[in-house]
Amino acid sequence: EPEVTQTPSHQVTQMGQEVILRCVPISNHLYFYWYRQILGQKVEFLVSFYNNEISEKSEIFDDQFSVERPDGSNFTLKIRSTKLEDSAMYFCASSFSLNTGELFFGEGSRLTVL
Amino acid sequence: SQQGEEDPQALSIQEGENATMNCSYKTSINNLQWYRQNSGRGLVHLILIRSNEREKHSGRLRVTLDTSKKSSSLLITASRAADTASYFCATDALGNNRLAFGKGNQVVVIP
Repeated sequence: EPEVTQTPSHQVTQMGQEVILRCVPISNHLYFYWYRQILGQKVEFLVSFYNNEISEKSEIFDDQFSVERPDGSNFTLKIRSTKLEDSAMYFCASSFSLNTGELFFGEGSRLTVL
Repeated sequence: SQQGEEDPQALSIQEGENATMNCSYKTSINNLQWYRQNSGRGLVHLILIRSNEREKHSGRLRVTLDTSKKSSSLLITASRAADTASYFCATDALGNNRLAFGKGNQVVVIP
């Protein structure tokens, strides 16, 4: 069964460093998303991406964050100059359309900022 | 922005019993979805109910939606140990997959 894959599964970084989280969405999906879950808190929407551009972003997704689809398969989230409060589980998701409503999530990348 | 809120937060039941979780939200929605998350894993879509639907079934899952009360319930019948997980409701206001998740219900099914 096709699935969304994410790497790395866990990354530890020093405050101020840049991190890139990678995702391979399901191959025929057209819409891509990043969500995050701070430990013990709700899953929060960060950004959605369609047709090679951001379609929506939340207040959390400020200039520190960027997304890119560098080739036909990868979808990346870059966090510049990480802060302690960026520590969270970051989930990538994809969907074929908006009408079905079903998002397919990856297993997540745990980011720990020291 | 709307947010789902589940109630109760934690539920412990015996295998074979039914588990019921509730979710309330604050603004109008296009659809409401339920997801499961096993500890340390990703979110798995369970079921979606649209704003013009009142009840939906999928296997052992039954979800209801009351838009007048802005609430939904998820029923898992004949629970199994493998149903042990956290369950989240998520609302989609505009049908754009920008989901607002609730805090989650932890369900423990005791074999």
